[in-house]
Amino acid sequence: SQQGEEDPQALSIQEGENATMNCSYKTSINNLQWYRQNSGRGLVHLILIRSNEREKHSGRLRVTLDTSKKSSSLLITASRAADTASYFCATVWGFTGTASKLTFGTGTRLQVTL
Amino acid sequence: DTEVTQTPKHLVMGMTNKKSLKCEQHMGHRAMYWYKQKAKKPPELMFVYSYEKLSINESVPSRFSPECPNSSLLNLHLHALQPEDSALYLCASSIRALNTEAFFGQGTRLTVV
Repeated sequence: SQQGEEDPQALSIQEGENATMNCSYKTSINNLQWYRQNSGRGLVHLILIRSNEREKHSGRLRVTLDTSKKSSSLLITASRAADTASYFCATVWGFTGTASKLTFGTGTRLQVTL
Repeated sequence: DTEVTQTPKHLVMGMTNKKSLKCEQHMGHRAMYWYKQKAKKPPELMFVYSYEKLSINESVPSRFSPECPNSSLLNLHLHALQPEDSALYLCASSIRALNTEAFFGQGTRLTVV
């Protein structure tokens, strides 16, 4: 399975602190994406980084990708209580010529307290 | 319109019932996906449709039958399910099945009794 492993499984921080989540995956990828999920409902796309990119920023988010180590990290700076959610990395791989797989890592549950 | 709409939001069905989950998007996306998510687990890919054709089936049991009637609609037909099939079923779409972000619906919470 391509399912990625994320660590930590759970992270509890105070508002204003930074949160870092790590993701490792198994096979070559086309791109890697990060998603957020609140309370077991739909997922929201946060950021996409292509396999030939090493770092990407979007607002308070910073994502890095190291394809040699098959790993990625998501940094959320100056966290807020509203950032409390589960965060998943997802890899796009296994292109068949018409479609590809988007498969998710195990996820990190982030709790931001006031 | 950047929404993926799933109906129903909740569904309780018996093991002998036949039911369908529906998913609709009007963003012109040509790739659509079904995922299954158990509590405190990541979404698991079930099916990928690309240009209305089933392109990827992740060895899903035949009691789950997907259908893509047109480029905006995706159905998941359910028959003879087991209690362990109870889960959140998520639909997603993307412009194409490569290199683009996916938009997710809010899911259907399915309980099999």
